[in-house]
Amino acid sequence: EVQLVESGGGLVQPGRSLRLSCTASGFTFGDYAMSWFRQAPGKGLEWVGFIRSKAYGGTTEYAASVKGRFTISRDDSKSIAYLQMNSLKTEDTAVYYCTRDGAERAFDIWGQGTMVTVSS
Amino acid sequence: DIQMTQSPSTLSASVGDRVTITCRASQSISSWLAWYQQKPGKAPKLLIYKASSLESGVPSRFSGSGSGTEFTLTISSLQPDDFATYYCQQYNSYWWTFGQGTKVEIK
Repeated sequence: EVQLVESGGGLVQPGRSLRLSCTASGFTFGDYAMSWFRQAPGKGLEWVGFIRSKAYGGTTEYAASVKGRFTISRDDSKSIAYLQMNSLKTEDTAVYYCTRDGAERAFDIWGQGTMVTVSS
Repeated sequence: DIQMTQSPSTLSASVGDRVTITCRASQSISSWLAWYQQKPGKAPKLLIYKASSLESGVPSRFSGSGSGTEFTLTISSLQPDDFATYYCQQYNSYWWTFGQGTKVEIK
């Protein structure tokens, strides 16, 4: 079964850091770009950033709202994508989803999401 | 960035109704448009990609159309499992953006 499972969410104080993990199974992880999205409570969906596959350089792109604070990385040997979140703000409070980038098939596989709450 | 505008924001319908949701892009996105269904507490689920291609396993009562800046999602005969929120998303250019969502409610 093709699956993504996020972990690492929780309650964190403003200004602190948190690292989310996204563990993939059921497909060749290294062949795909991976993206992170988020959804604040009661709100819509927002793209956070993504990482290309190694075949395309493994480079990253970020939304302006998180650029310079968040970093996406990947470990293809473990089939895991990471979202390192630094200098967290209260407005970063959201459910964070990792997704498989299916290229022309858009974002075809989503994890179940992990909640991040930034509060003092 | 490209703005996506969905209408209506809320839609009340009955089982068996034909339902249409519209999505407009602030500039041309060719056919790089996807539709997702989201139920409370769950992750979004891909329904349609490339404007009109049905994702594997999605019932054929769902269909998508359009190109450029105007797109529609149609549910030909609404079923009880279809009451949810629907989002369009452009993936033509960074950063990828979504419509604000359309909640389909039971009438």
